[in-house]
Amino acid sequence: KNEVEQSPQNLTAQEGEFITINCSYSVGISALHWLQQHPGGGIVSLFMLSSGKKKHGRLIATINIQEKHSSLHITASHPRDSAVYICAVPKTSYDKVIFGPGTSLSVIP
Amino acid sequence: EAQVTQNPRYLITVTGKKLTVTCSQNMNHEYMSWYRQDPGLGLRQIYYSMNVEVTDKGDVPEGYKVSRKEKRNFPLILESPSPNQTSLYFCASSIRQGTYSPLHFGNGTRLTVT
Repeated sequence: KNEVEQSPQNLTAQEGEFITINCSYSVGISALHWLQQHPGGGIVSLFMLSSGKKKHGRLIATINIQEKHSSLHITASHPRDSAVYICAVPKTSYDKVIFGPGTSLSVIP
Repeated sequence: EAQVTQNPRYLITVTGKKLTVTCSQNMNHEYMSWYRQDPGLGLRQIYYSMNVEVTDKGDVPEGYKVSRKEKRNFPLILESPSPNQTSLYFCASSIRQGTYSPLHFGNGTRLTVT
């Protein structure tokens, strides 16, 4: 079993749809990164959260520490949201980062 | 502008010819790290550094070396590259790993070893 899992692996949505991407982890401290990687390769940090919920524009990230689960929601999805979304967990405070396999999102106009 | 700068963006080399990929950050971050990304395997950590002169192995350190002589620079060295090191490489930094601070990534280096 992978230490960080994501679902779904691939997702196609119509423009305007509400999207949820899930991340579950079996290791790590009580924090998690959500990253976005557009075609062409660059990686951008979307959120770093250790509790509750964070919101940035149309993006919302939640984390449940007890259940070791996080979700990334995109409201009113747009084709420019098409990207790979990756969750990552630091294994200990000053240690390795374990990445999930990524969720490839395609938003169709 | 706060950024992580990697060079070069693209590199084609031959087996055995030593190369260095540079990484520099201007945010006074303590933590820096190198990752490689391969289709089907995702991102995997090569080496990381928690501060100057402090480095440690990630999950896939074989065939790589790093050094952290200055806070801003964290070069990745391939002493004798092999074709299985063909990959997309990313450098990243954060204020300090334990403070739940975001990771800032460089633009990536696409390396091909023939």
